[in-house]
Amino acid sequence: SAVISQKPSRDICQRGTSLTIQCQVDSQVTMMFWYRQQPGQSLTLIATANQGSEATYESGFVIDKFPISRPNLTFSTLTVSNMSPEDSSIYLCSVEYENTGELFFGEGSRLTVL
Amino acid sequence: AQSVAQPEDQVNVAEGNPLTVKCTYSVSGNPYLFWYVQYPNRGLQFLLKYITGDNLVKGSYGFEAEFNKSQTSFHLKKPSALVSDSALYFCAVRGVSGAGSYQLTFGKGTKLSVIP
Repeated sequence: SAVISQKPSRDICQRGTSLTIQCQVDSQVTMMFWYRQQPGQSLTLIATANQGSEATYESGFVIDKFPISRPNLTFSTLTVSNMSPEDSSIYLCSVEYENTGELFFGEGSRLTVL
Repeated sequence: AQSVAQPEDQVNVAEGNPLTVKCTYSVSGNPYLFWYVQYPNRGLQFLLKYITGDNLVKGSYGFEAEFNKSQTSFHLKKPSALVSDSALYFCAVRGVSGAGSYQLTFGKGTKLSVIP
């Protein structure tokens, strides 16, 4: 299985600011994803982070709000821009390891926007 | 589009008793089905999956799940519950995302509480 490290694990931010979350994987993976888990809710896919090209966003999510970088096969960042209290969520990085269909998840980044 | 239903928000069971967490799904084609567990303030951990083969799938921590194609169900089970099993459980089905790639669609989750 893959070991996935996310930073920060939690943060409290002010409205209108932006925060970048980092995801580091201990091995090269093709597929990396970013999910959001709002309080008491299930997981919603934000986007697929593509290495060397623009991320692929799901309906309801846009690049201006959630810019994503993926400079190589082991690292990705998600930025939550111009934050509002509605962005308070857990943001989870996940990878599909060796085309198994299984997703492995980081510990998540718990974001609170005041 | 694919979907997953977990009809119970919460399941309470006494320690030592068998437990079942229910899941039904809807997807085009052959289903790839998964169960994940989330402990408080933690990420999700993979428990087990069904892709093909035996309808009874065994996974981590003594959990198993039964795939029933006619009922489109994939219920999670354990013969004897432990207090440490108390957590949030998510069922997921693999399908095609809105952006056209393969992706997991998750149910809303079921909170399992095992009572000593």
